[in-house]
Amino acid sequence: AQSVTQLDSQVPVFEEAPVELRCNYSSSVSVYLFWYVQYPNQGLQLLLKYLSGSTLVKGINGFEAEFNKSQTSFHLRKPSVHISDTAEYFCAVSGAGTALIFGKGTTLSVSS
Amino acid sequence: GAGVSQTPSNKVTEKGKYVELRCDPISGHTALYWYRQSLGQGPEFLIYFQGTGAADDSGLPNDRFFAVRPEGSVSTLKIQRTERGDSAMYLCASSLTHGTSSEQFFGPGTRLTVL
Repeated sequence: AQSVTQLDSQVPVFEEAPVELRCNYSSSVSVYLFWYVQYPNQGLQLLLKYLSGSTLVKGINGFEAEFNKSQTSFHLRKPSVHISDTAEYFCAVSGAGTALIFGKGTTLSVSS
Repeated sequence: GAGVSQTPSNKVTEKGKYVELRCDPISGHTALYWYRQSLGQGPEFLIYFQGTGAADDSGLPNDRFFAVRPEGSVSTLKIQRTERGDSAMYLCASSLTHGTSSEQFFGPGTRLTVL
């Protein structure tokens, strides 16, 4: 069975500071990893995904994530956040042909 | 073009009533997914359709939940004899095809409240 653990439920940061949102997964088969963002009153939007190849994945809005197979992690990073990055972030995993399994989410709050 | 739309955006009902939630996927998308998101949790998979058929309904919690997609486009999630525990945000997503390489596009959701 696959599962996802997002280690921080809330992450408060100041504008222009770097941020890392942590995600660990467990799976007995090859995995595909995703980060989604959910802005208030909007649907989930794909930030980035890892399917294969380079372990460093770049996504939209300046976010990137690194797949670490030995640590079973897929942490999301941004070197300098903006107020507009305030949102809920979800890490998700799937196997080949299976549904997405989501973590519980991390609320990123960016203040000035 | 238009994204995934869901109606209604909010639904309040009484315990024991029947409800229908509608999802209009992106035109041309053959795969359609339903998820349920409870407060403080991530979305949980319910069911997915490839075309008109339910390819995987393993996430439906019990037989009170049922979904259809009769013409391979619009889908309706039906909940019979609603219970207070059914209160959640119900999300719909569609993708061009089913598979990890095909991005799922999510709708804004329907917030269901069972009193």
